[in-house]
Amino acid sequence: NAGVTQTPKFRVLKTGQSMTLLCAQDMNHEYMYWYRQDPGMGLRLIHYSVGEGTTAKGEVPDGYNVSRLKKQNFLLGLESAAPSQTSVYFCASTPAGARNTQYFGPGTRLTVL
Amino acid sequence: AQSVTQLGSHVSVSEGALVLLRCNYSSSVPPYLFWYVQYPNQGLQLLLKYTTGATLVKGINGFEAEFKKSETSFHLTKPSAHMSDAAEYFCAVSLSGGYQKVTFGTGTKLQVIP
Repeated sequence: NAGVTQTPKFRVLKTGQSMTLLCAQDMNHEYMYWYRQDPGMGLRLIHYSVGEGTTAKGEVPDGYNVSRLKKQNFLLGLESAAPSQTSVYFCASTPAGARNTQYFGPGTRLTVL
Repeated sequence: AQSVTQLGSHVSVSEGALVLLRCNYSSSVPPYLFWYVQYPNQGLQLLLKYTTGATLVKGINGFEAEFKKSETSFHLTKPSAHMSDAAEYFCAVSLSGGYQKVTFGTGTKLQVIP
């Protein structure tokens, strides 16, 4: 099993450009999440999905959109990138249930100039 | 609602010394508690977790943590630090019932001095 994979690993954007980050998991997990990690702030939840075709906002959703058309994939979109979105983005997945471990991808390092 | 506080954003220990990373939580219902570790340029991986049952939880790489309800704490310990333990450690809490909303602490970077 590959676990959770993320593409791309690195990306540099100019302000106003758009891009999509792809997360894929091969563990048949129900729940998937997108987090951003910034120094001194831990991980903050951007959006999450509790199943195919359903998404919901996390604590920092502004400027991002998501889609989960297939159970194994969770896409994060930036329609018009801003320097404040410079961050490391992590995708995670877990089986349904609050006691379950989250499995993280390796991260995408995004710089917006 | 739940929250997590990790005391100390940076902790330095000598190789072979005790590692103690502090985590306090608040939640309105019995929590599930986790410690994750992040090595440089990698994603987070689970060290250990407390769900129910025994309050002393053992994890990978010799780490353990004790759930103390009266102190609302879940501190992470290891008797003897190795150089390979240098990483960032995150405490996290989630609540039982429904969707798993996990709240992460701000992390503690552990430096191991030879």
